[in-house]
Amino acid sequence: GQNIDQPTEMTATEGAIVQINCTYQTSGFNGLFWYQQHAGEAPTFLSYNVLDGLEEKGRFSSFLSRSKGYSYLLLKELQMKDSASYLCAAKDSNYQLIWGAGTKLIIKP
Amino acid sequence: IAGITQAPTSQILAAGRRMTLRCTQDMRHNAMYWYRQDLGLGLRLIHYSNTAGTTGKGEVPDGYSVSRANTDDFPLTLASAVPSQTSVYFCASSDGSGNSPLHFGNGTRLTVT
Repeated sequence: GQNIDQPTEMTATEGAIVQINCTYQTSGFNGLFWYQQHAGEAPTFLSYNVLDGLEEKGRFSSFLSRSKGYSYLLLKELQMKDSASYLCAAKDSNYQLIWGAGTKLIIKP
Repeated sequence: IAGITQAPTSQILAAGRRMTLRCTQDMRHNAMYWYRQDLGLGLRLIHYSNTAGTTGKGEVPDGYSVSRANTDDFPLTLASAVPSQTSVYFCASSDGSGNSPLHFGNGTRLTVT
């Protein structure tokens, strides 16, 4: 079956760095997405990886290893506004998105 | 401002009643989707449409129907609501290309009593 695994909850300190991991098992692979979702709001797109390696976008970076079925989202210089859920989603061979349950990130001052 | 509009924002519905959730986008995206989001679960695809005039079933289509008469609108209908359909419903769209992200509406919080 197809599956996405990510931690349920993580806690980090303002100004620090946090890495949110995601492992996936899909029938075929056509890219991996990260979304941010604040409580009570819609998910918003953060990043897309389809090739191995690191994609950097300001304070946020996303890494992909296709051979390991693994990705992570790296958040640097954490701010209180980064408190949110982070959703990992992989596209399978039919270009359908398979979603993880999300990682709730709690930032403490 | 371009985007996706969902209505209503929230609704309390008696079991057995019929309900249509509305979704309109002004980005001229080909593909549109309906998801439900429940605590502890990932987003689950209910129905999708790759282009106007076509629809397809997602992971959890039972009890729901959709139509896509034009590019902009993609309503979701619950023919006879049941309590297990209590959820937050998100409509989304994309231009349909492989690496294009989804753009989400603000969601409809539905409670079936």
